[in-house]
Amino acid sequence: GEDVEQSLFLSVREGDSSVINCTYTDSSSTYLYWYKQEPGAGLQLLTYIFSNMDMKQDQRLTVLLNKKDKHLSLRIADTQTGDSAIYFCAESLSEYGNKLVFGAGTILRVKS
Amino acid sequence: GAVVSQHPSRVICKSGTSVKIECRSLDFQATTMFWYRQFPKQSLMLMATSNEGSKATYEQGVEKDKFLINHASLTLSTLTVTSAHPEDSSFYICSADTGTGAYEQYFGPGTRLTVT
Repeated sequence: GEDVEQSLFLSVREGDSSVINCTYTDSSSTYLYWYKQEPGAGLQLLTYIFSNMDMKQDQRLTVLLNKKDKHLSLRIADTQTGDSAIYFCAESLSEYGNKLVFGAGTILRVKS
Repeated sequence: GAVVSQHPSRVICKSGTSVKIECRSLDFQATTMFWYRQFPKQSLMLMATSNEGSKATYEQGVEKDKFLINHASLTLSTLTVTSAHPEDSSFYICSADTGTGAYEQYFGPGTRLTVT
């Protein structure tokens, strides 16, 4: 079955880069996503990558995909205190259309 | 663009009563909407997939008679928690699919349900 795993916690200093990692098991994933959730709020779509891409960059965000190892990462450059949140990795499975499977989330804490 | 709203944001109800939560796509039409449940410090658990004009598809273990879903229009889906119990207390989040090839889902702000 499908399974998405993330490390639970990451702490960085303001101005440093943050790298949040995710692994998934289903090789039929079509798209992989990163969502951000602030306390008491819904999820904000940050970025996504198609499964035949290796990298996608969007301003301070860089997504790297290693399809062979089924490993996805999100790098946040120049991390700010406002980036403190929970980050969820998710995959969509082609056989289920647009159903998303989420990881447990990584808590990012940015220290000033 | 791609804004999804939920109403109410917080609700407290007594055990045994029913509660309706609305999910609206404000600036796009959503043929598919999803309902999730999130327990504290945990990930989102998909409850059901709702397609406009048809019956919702429930995930395994989710009681369809307890969690009634209606998707009557392309911009509105409702989740009704019937005969609520304290264990139904949770954060309920909806999302809407824009229908583009990237399966982009945009999430509502969530509804905190507390059953006393």
